Amino acid sequence: SQTIHQWPATLVQPVGSPLSLECTVEGTSNPNLYWYRQAAGRGLQLLFYSVGIGQISSEVPQNLSASRPQDRQFILSSKKLLLSDSGFYLCAWTIPPPEAFFGQGTRLTVV
Amino acid sequence: AQSVTQLDSQVPVFEEAPVELRCNYSSSVSVYLFWYVQYPNQGLQLLLKYLSGSTLVKGINGFEAEFNKSQTSFHLRKPSVHISDTAEYFCAVRSSGAGSYQLIFGKGTKLSVIP
Repeated sequence: SQTIHQWPATLVQPVGSPLSLECTVEGTSNPNLYWYRQAAGRGLQLLFYSVGIGQISSEVPQNLSASRPQDRQFILSSKKLLLSDSGFYLCAWTIPPPEAFFGQGTRLTVV
Repeated sequence: AQSVTQLDSQVPVFEEAPVELRCNYSSSVSVYLFWYVQYPNQGLQLLLKYLSGSTLVKGINGFEAEFNKSQTSFHLRKPSVHISDTAEYFCAVRSSGAGSYQLIFGKGTKLSVIP
């Protein structure tokens, strides 16, 4: 069966520090991969999605970037974190059927 | 482009009472529709989905939803809620067209079940 791993679960980082969040999927090939951010009262905001290695689509201009170095690996990065980057980050994947499956999320607090 | 509106940000309901969480969507093309549930500090779990066929879909934990194309709605219902249903619920839409990859979510509805 397919599983998705996302780490770390929680992270506290100072303003201006770099960020790297990793997500990996097991048990499937060529998934579509997504990064969402969830801020209080704002629901889930789609940040990036990827349909293949090296293919990244950005939905919202921001301080973040994404990369997909391997088929089942999706990385969210920042060179310099801002206070506004705080939130709950969720990785997800889809293949046919079209529903998405989510990781357990990373709670990022920028201080 | 698609969008989703969840009309209630918070819904309090007494235990064993019925509940309806409302969801309206906007799209110029055919869509797939989903409801997810999120417990505190966890990822999202799929409750149910509408892909095609019968407009009444049943999901896990006794939830069901009805797709109404003319009203562009996909409301979630449960006839009798339990304390364990306290969580946040998200409605989501995705175009059914080939090459469509974006899954768009509403802002969520927090369901609080009162003992």
